[in-house]
Amino acid sequence: AQKITQTQPGMFVQEKEAVTLDCTYDTSDQSYGLFWYKQPSSGEMIFLIYQGSYDEQNATEGRYSLNFQKARKSANLVISASQLGDSAMYFCAMREGGTGRRALTFGSGTRLQVQP
Amino acid sequence: KAGVTQTPRYLIKTRGQQVTLSCSPISGHRSVSWYQQTPGQGLQFLFEYFSETQRNKGNFPGRFSGRQFSNSRSEMNVSTLELGDSALYLCASSSGQRGGRDPNTEAFFGQGTRLTVV
Repeated sequence: AQKITQTQPGMFVQEKEAVTLDCTYDTSDQSYGLFWYKQPSSGEMIFLIYQGSYDEQNATEGRYSLNFQKARKSANLVISASQLGDSAMYFCAMREGGTGRRALTFGSGTRLQVQP
Repeated sequence: KAGVTQTPRYLIKTRGQQVTLSCSPISGHRSVSWYQQTPGQGLQFLFEYFSETQRNKGNFPGRFSGRQFSNSRSEMNVSTLELGDSALYLCASSSGQRGGRDPNTEAFFGQGTRLTVV
C-alpha cells in the first residue's frame, strides 16, 4: 500500500489566489515527520515546510502552511497568494520513526501551474 | 552557509560503463542520503550514510553502492550501467543524530545529477 498519496496529478491556480495541494499518508508509527518540497524544472528539491506528528499547531513558513489533520492522516499544503514562480512539481514526503535513521517516502507529486 | 553540492550536474554514459557521483553535505551535517528519481518510479530511496557507515538501504541491486568519507562527503557508484539507470540522482543532507535540532525536521537536497545512459 502506498504510504504517501497525492491524488492531484496537476493543478491550475490564478495568480494571487490560494491553492491547496492534497496529501494523505499511512503509518503505524506514533512518531513521524511530514515534509513538503518544491521541485522546479531545474530538478533541485527545495524544502518548504515540516510538520512533526507531535506538533499541536499547524506549521507555517511565509506563504506556505500545512493543514495537518492527524486523525484523517492528511497533511495538505496551502499556498497563499500564488505567484508565477510557484509553478513547479510539489512533493509530499514522510519520515517514520524517531531515530532519524529512516528514509523519506515520497508521494507521486502534484504539478502546479500558476496562471497570470 | 553553503547548501548541498552535487557534482557533476549532468552525465552521459554508455551501457556497461560505471559512474561515480559526488555529494557534499551542508557543513556540520553527518548524514547523507541518496535518492533516484525517474518518471516511472518516482523518487526512491537508495541508501543513507552516517559517520562513514551505511545505516539504511533501499531496494536496489548491488550495482548501486556508496561510501562516505571522514569529511562527510559521499560518493555513489553505479557499475555496469543499464538504460534504466537513466535518472535524476538526488542527495539529501541532515545532521542525522539526536541532540539539538530534531533530526526528523531536516532533509535538505542538492540540485541533483542527471544521468543519461545511452
